[in-house]
Amino acid sequence: DGGITQSPKYLFRKEGQNVTLSCEQNLNHDAMYWYRQDPGQGLRLIYYSQIVNDFQKGDIAEGYSVSREKKESFPLTVTSAQKNPTAFYLCASSIGTGWGSPLHFGNGTRLTVT
Amino acid sequence: AQTVTQSQPEMSVQEAETVTLSCTYDTSENNYYLFWYKQPPSRQMILVIRQEAYKQQNATENRFSVNFQKAAKSFSLKISDSQLGDTAMYFCAFMKHVGSNYKLTFGKGTLLTVNP
Repeated sequence: DGGITQSPKYLFRKEGQNVTLSCEQNLNHDAMYWYRQDPGQGLRLIYYSQIVNDFQKGDIAEGYSVSREKKESFPLTVTSAQKNPTAFYLCASSIGTGWGSPLHFGNGTRLTVT
Repeated sequence: AQTVTQSQPEMSVQEAETVTLSCTYDTSENNYYLFWYKQPPSRQMILVIRQEAYKQQNATENRFSVNFQKAAKSFSLKISDSQLGDTAMYFCAFMKHVGSNYKLTFGKGTLLTVNP
């Protein structure tokens, strides 16, 4: 079955360490997105990418970095510069070339930094 | 910058009744898409319905329908014959072009509880 895989489901890190969240899709989608979800804040866009080797900052990109070396992969690195990294992170993808194409989401990664 | 506002943090409804969730948005764009997503306790985001701004006819998907008022920048979701499985967070979202990219912005969500 086609879908989006985020791993791991739960991730624990010590403060000051960088951590990378994995996102892989086999839907052959062009566009991929990273959102952060906090209680009462909805989903906020971190980074998005429409094509390989190109990505754009979202609304809260500070303290995060991404790469898009392959169409099916869009890893997110949470750096030590991110002030409050504990959150639920959602990866999504869409066809990209179709205006208005809905986003398909992974199951999320819960990151806890202590 | 556009924003999406969901003014009802929480709502509840009795099973089999109808409930309406509100959403307003702010934009200077003329063409855009609007979406409703639901997030049940599993936290999986599921598309409920979408609406293109150029289409005047309100979108409908089975028990889910929208009331799209473009001039008022309002996009409410009506759930008919509510079922226990409709219990979830519901997010309104707005999509627009940013250069050659598409950007989707979400509201803060409404927690809907369907009571037996």
